[in-house]
Amino acid sequence: EIVLTQSPGTLSLSPGERATLSCRASQSVSSRYLAWYQQKPGQAPRLLIYGASSRATGIPDRFSGSGSGTDFTLTISRLEPEDFAVFYCQQYGSSPITFGQGTRLEIK
Amino acid sequence: QVQLVQSGAEVKKPGSSVKVSCKAPGGTFSTYAISWVRQAPEQGLEWMGGIIPVFGPAYYAPKFQGKVTITADKSTSTAYMELSSLRSEDTAVYYCARSIETGYYYGMDVWGQGTTVTVSS
Repeated sequence: EIVLTQSPGTLSLSPGERATLSCRASQSVSSRYLAWYQQKPGQAPRLLIYGASSRATGIPDRFSGSGSGTDFTLTISRLEPEDFAVFYCQQYGSSPITFGQGTRLEIK
Repeated sequence: QVQLVQSGAEVKKPGSSVKVSCKAPGGTFSTYAISWVRQAPEQGLEWMGGIIPVFGPAYYAPKFQGKVTITADKSTSTAYMELSSLRSEDTAVYYCARSIETGYYYGMDVWGQGTTVTVSS
């Protein structure tokens, strides 16, 4: 099973700043099968990025994904007030599918 | 926007079973992977397993093998997740979610609203 470790656990930033979230895998993620989700309280997760760098439909271009192998990054170029939430990475290249433990992005 | 519609909240006794449904719009159901994801209170996301209805057998995460049964009814475009031998630790929100592309378990872009299952004596 591939273990995904996200860092930092909590990130405190202000609107307008740049956010960089990390996801490290215990083994190489095949075919860059890595996704990122945003989850707000009381809501289902929302897919932001799939295939490591492809934005899902309707996702603003301030969200971008990069990386390959075992190291992946989600970048939010300029934070908007609605961006503050919990973010999860997920790998779907190997069975079982696994999620990281999450990064909480909070307003500073 | 495609939506998955899940059945309502359940309260169950320890040792019993629960079956949650997830209905998808017709015409798009059989070739997409439907996964079930668990989220315990104040915890992260856990993939339990999934099914691609046109291919048949479900796949399960090792942790849930023998605990969960996932099925699909192509005639009604509905997936089901049955959880047995319930314990208090099974108290959680259970989501169904659909893969963004057909034929494999890709990232999941369409989610159900979640079903809260509470296990309490």
